[in-house]
Amino acid sequence: KNEVEQSPQNLTAQEGEFITINCSYSVGISALHWLQQHPGGGIVSLFMLSSGKKKHGRLIATINIQEKHSSLHITASHPRDSAVYICALADMYSGGGADGLTFGKGTHLIIQP
Amino acid sequence: EADIYQTPRYLVIGTGKKITLECSQTMGHDKMYWYQQDPGMELHLIHYSYGVNSTEKGDLSSESTVSRIRTEHFPLTLESARPSHTSQYLCASSEQGLAQYFGPGTRLLVL
Repeated sequence: KNEVEQSPQNLTAQEGEFITINCSYSVGISALHWLQQHPGGGIVSLFMLSSGKKKHGRLIATINIQEKHSSLHITASHPRDSAVYICALADMYSGGGADGLTFGKGTHLIIQP
Repeated sequence: EADIYQTPRYLVIGTGKKITLECSQTMGHDKMYWYQQDPGMELHLIHYSYGVNSTEKGDLSSESTVSRIRTEHFPLTLESARPSHTSQYLCASSEQGLAQYFGPGTRLLVL
């Protein structure tokens, strides 16, 4: 079973700061997801990656398959970015989400004005 | 914009009651999932389905059951609710190899 480690667990930063959240895993994967969960509980899928880098607005996600590591970056952070960011893995042997995802514990991000 | 719905959003119920949590998606996705998330903890897969008449148990053991009679509908049932079932339940759907879309979740409190 894949082990997922996210760091940091908690992060408080000032508005405008550049944010980096890290995710490491132990076993080969077919894809890695970054998810955002707001206090109300709803989850939004931010990125799905299998290689390289993706960018959407102020969010950037990268993955290094050889090092089994992914990072989520937020540029020009804003209080509305405050949420839990979750790294989730799709197992290599179950076909990209066929059997559901393995989740990290999440990073609690607070952006102060 | 993902079209996946869960009802109810919040439910407070007494011990021993039978409950059904509804999940529907209008995207025609074959794969659907139920996840359970205790407060402050990570999500765990409890059930999934590859398509109509297909249901499988997930990584986390659960006393709940599911059915998949129609592609768009994946309800979860607890025959006799207990306080240990208090949690948030999230439904998701996907196509093969693509991102999962999550519903808004149902927060269940069993008294």
